[in-house]
Amino acid sequence: ETGVTQSPTHLIKTRGQQVTLRCSSQSGHNTVSWYQQALGQGPQFIFQYYREEENGRGNFPPRFSGLQFPNYSSELNVNALELDDSALYLCASSLPGLAGKETQYFGPGTRLLVL
Amino acid sequence: AQSVTQLDSHVSVSEGTPVLLRCNYSSSYSPSLFWYVQHPNKGLQLLLKYTSAATLVKGINGFEAEFKKSETSFHLTKPSAHMSDAAEYFCVVSRNQGGKLIFGQGTELSVKP
Repeated sequence: ETGVTQSPTHLIKTRGQQVTLRCSSQSGHNTVSWYQQALGQGPQFIFQYYREEENGRGNFPPRFSGLQFPNYSSELNVNALELDDSALYLCASSLPGLAGKETQYFGPGTRLLVL
Repeated sequence: AQSVTQLDSHVSVSEGTPVLLRCNYSSSYSPSLFWYVQHPNKGLQLLLKYTSAATLVKGINGFEAEFKKSETSFHLTKPSAHMSDAAEYFCVVSRNQGGKLIFGQGTELSVKP
């Protein structure tokens, strides 16, 4: 176990709705990254937060947003849901280290289905 | 730009035989490379990582990988497959800023009894 938890485990929404996914990082890990994994694909980087500030973003539209809190928890918010947003959403926590060399510890993911 | 290519989408081996999962990378500078494993309905678990130290990297559960700069490869091997090794394996390269991990498409490993 990595010590990273996510909730809920599964979620069903309809197009146009908004969703909030939650992640609890390992204690002491002040960096959290979010990834989207479509069926049969490798995870795609959405964004990273470090000390409650966005610290890098992948090729995702602004309707994907995040928050990080001082208690090592974080949220991924997606507005105006589209069918293609159906995927497994993974969060990963890490300690800041030599850039790019730190290990990211993944949670089990939240599976989102958009109908 | 950085990228990884996993050369096989599916590999099938018999229990007790060697495992070879192939990965080529592209990077304009010295990369950090990782292998992660994903069992069904589970999150991603780190098997091993290369960060410019020894080129032969040993990981958990008997896996190892060798960084070959001349071939831009980072293949994952295991001498003897176990049934519990059946899973999806991802080769990953890290960008040196912003913590972005770039994943390959994955290789599904099947282990036959």
